[in-house]
Amino acid sequence: AQTVTQSQPEMSVQEAETVTLSCTYDTSENNYYLFWYKQPPSRQMILVIRQEAYKQQNATENRFSVNFQKAAKSFSLKISDSQLGDTAMYFCAFMNRDDKIIFGKGTRLHILP
Amino acid sequence: KAGVTQTPRYLIKTRGQQVTLSCSPISGHRSVSWYQQTPGQGLQFLFEYFSETQRNKGNFPGRFSGRQFSNSRSEMNVSTLELGDSALYLCASSGTGMGQPQHFGDGTRLSIL
Repeated sequence: AQTVTQSQPEMSVQEAETVTLSCTYDTSENNYYLFWYKQPPSRQMILVIRQEAYKQQNATENRFSVNFQKAAKSFSLKISDSQLGDTAMYFCAFMNRDDKIIFGKGTRLHILP
Repeated sequence: KAGVTQTPRYLIKTRGQQVTLSCSPISGHRSVSWYQQTPGQGLQFLFEYFSETQRNKGNFPGRFSGRQFSNSRSEMNVSTLELGDSALYLCASSGTGMGQPQHFGDGTRLSIL
């Protein structure tokens, strides 16, 4: 069975710093999709970034980028120049070819002024 | 384009009662998924509907059920409510095609007294 593990329940960083959130997953499949979602205190979950497993190039979205290591089954999220609005719960998610999605338990990120 | 709409936003029930939650997906999205979010268990997948058929199902008891209508709107029903059912219930819709990201609603906060 597929699993998604986020080893950091909570993190705090100063504004403008760079922070990396960890995510590992377990699967025997070769083709799948990985996502990072953000849930701010207002609670609506929004997509941050998406990675297709068959693409070696790491996905980027403005200040957000991933380090996708397929062999190691690792999918970390890097936030550069962190802002107060980045304070949120961050969920890593794995989706298989049947569109079944599994979420990690989340990392609560605090950006400190 | 309007986002995913969930109603009601808040609900208070007592043990033994039943509840129905509603979700209207983004126009054109045929897949609707439901999740239970609690502080201790994180985000847990309940089920997914596609074109009125349940396509995937999580590990929840039969008290949790759902359905999808021809206009893709979906309802989730929980019968014989237990205290442990207190949670934020999130609905998400996604477009057609492999690896489509989920678009979430604001959720329904269900409290069981």
